[in-house]
Amino acid sequence: DQQVKQNSPSLSVQEGRISILNCDYTNSMFDYFLWYKKYPAEGPTFLISISSIKDKNEDGRFTVFLNKSAKHLSLHIVPSQPGDSAVYFCAASDRTGANNLFFGTGTRLTVIP
Amino acid sequence: DAGVTQSPTHLIKTRGQHVTLRCSPISGHKSVSWYQQVLGQGPQFIFQYYEKEERGRGNFPDRFSARQFPNYSSELNVNALLLGDSALYLCASSLNNRAMNTEAFFGQGTRLTVV
Repeated sequence: DQQVKQNSPSLSVQEGRISILNCDYTNSMFDYFLWYKKYPAEGPTFLISISSIKDKNEDGRFTVFLNKSAKHLSLHIVPSQPGDSAVYFCAASDRTGANNLFFGTGTRLTVIP
Repeated sequence: DAGVTQSPTHLIKTRGQHVTLRCSPISGHKSVSWYQQVLGQGPQFIFQYYEKEERGRGNFPDRFSARQFPNYSSELNVNALLLGDSALYLCASSLNNRAMNTEAFFGQGTRLTVV
């Protein structure tokens, strides 16, 4: 049972434009959400996170939005750069319970120069 | 300062064999978790260890086991390997148990191929 879903396996964006990556979750107990970026032959690298008490968190070019009622979060990258090309994983956790992360299947972002 | 290191980076085993994967966390980190990532999927939680005790276990069979040593390094053991165990095995470390979600640093992984 996939509790975190990323329905777009791939996304292509022109350099300088906005990249929007989407993620849906089903477990209402999730209270912390993270985005990881993964390059080939490397482990996932933490990018940005958001607690369920917030609806937006911003860090430089990266912004994560959380819509709890829709159980949906998105990652916005503005402006997109070729170095952003990677696989992006959405992850969620129930910090009051199990301390593990539930990952989505990933979205491969390609930023075209 | 070294990050999370995993060994070996690649491994080929035959069905039925046993495998041991190793992980050294970032210096000072006491929590280690293991994840399995099969092709086309996201990482799936296997185990978490904190202060040498198992703190969490994912939905994996008993063929999978792990332990954490006094220096906080960890081993993941898989017995009676199946073809379906072929995957990238990721180790993540964090400073403490409660910080797992916010400060998890991943190693580069061990690519296990079972033939």
